[in-house]
Amino acid sequence: DTAVSQTPKYLVTQMGNDKSIKCEQNLGHDTMYWYKQDSKKFLKIMFSYNNKELIINETVPNRFSPKSPDKAHLNLHINSLELGDSAVYFCASSQDNGGTDTQYFGPGTRLTVL
Amino acid sequence: AQSVTQLGSHVSVSEGALVLLRCNYSSSVPPYLFWYVQYPNQGLQLLLKYTSAATLVKGINGFEAEFKKSETSFHLTKPSAHMSDAAEYFCAVSRRALTFGSGTRLQVQP
Repeated sequence: DTAVSQTPKYLVTQMGNDKSIKCEQNLGHDTMYWYKQDSKKFLKIMFSYNNKELIINETVPNRFSPKSPDKAHLNLHINSLELGDSAVYFCASSQDNGGTDTQYFGPGTRLTVL
Repeated sequence: AQSVTQLGSHVSVSEGALVLLRCNYSSSVPPYLFWYVQYPNQGLQLLLKYTSAATLVKGINGFEAEFKKSETSFHLTKPSAHMSDAAEYFCAVSRRALTFGSGTRLQVQP
């Protein structure tokens, strides 16, 4: 009965590979997010979807492509992985897009690019 | 643009001592402010949030924060630290998504 789940939890891969991270929420929320946490623990928004529509697309390389097949799912596909992509990626969801609504975070996916 | 600054990347207190983690915000409009906690190898959990209803906000695990407009601050406090409070704490401001501060690692010494 996990609220926000992510798979996989750990991902180790070689430079140049393509990988995907999946996120699912069972809270009935309308908005989902991807955040990146770097090695210094700094957290930054990457993307946000509201009702399957992209509403936030920060200055992220176009090798990163989010996809939301439905309101409960938001996946992140990364092409041609680079060393600098190594980080922890967090999915989150909220009822509304921003403002006062609490965002609920998944456990994170630790991506290591070798 | 809205932003938050957390003063002190590391704070160490003794068990039973007061916890004070500092956060200052920059916003041209009344901000929505949050404190999240991250335990090792886990996701973020909401401690409390300010949404302009009351300036003193009480959260989970005995934490509270006071919104002070004159000081543009939203510091997090807990009267008595417990070993289980050791974690990374993030202040954040919300508009369409969360903009986080750089985090403060809290160590609790026995």
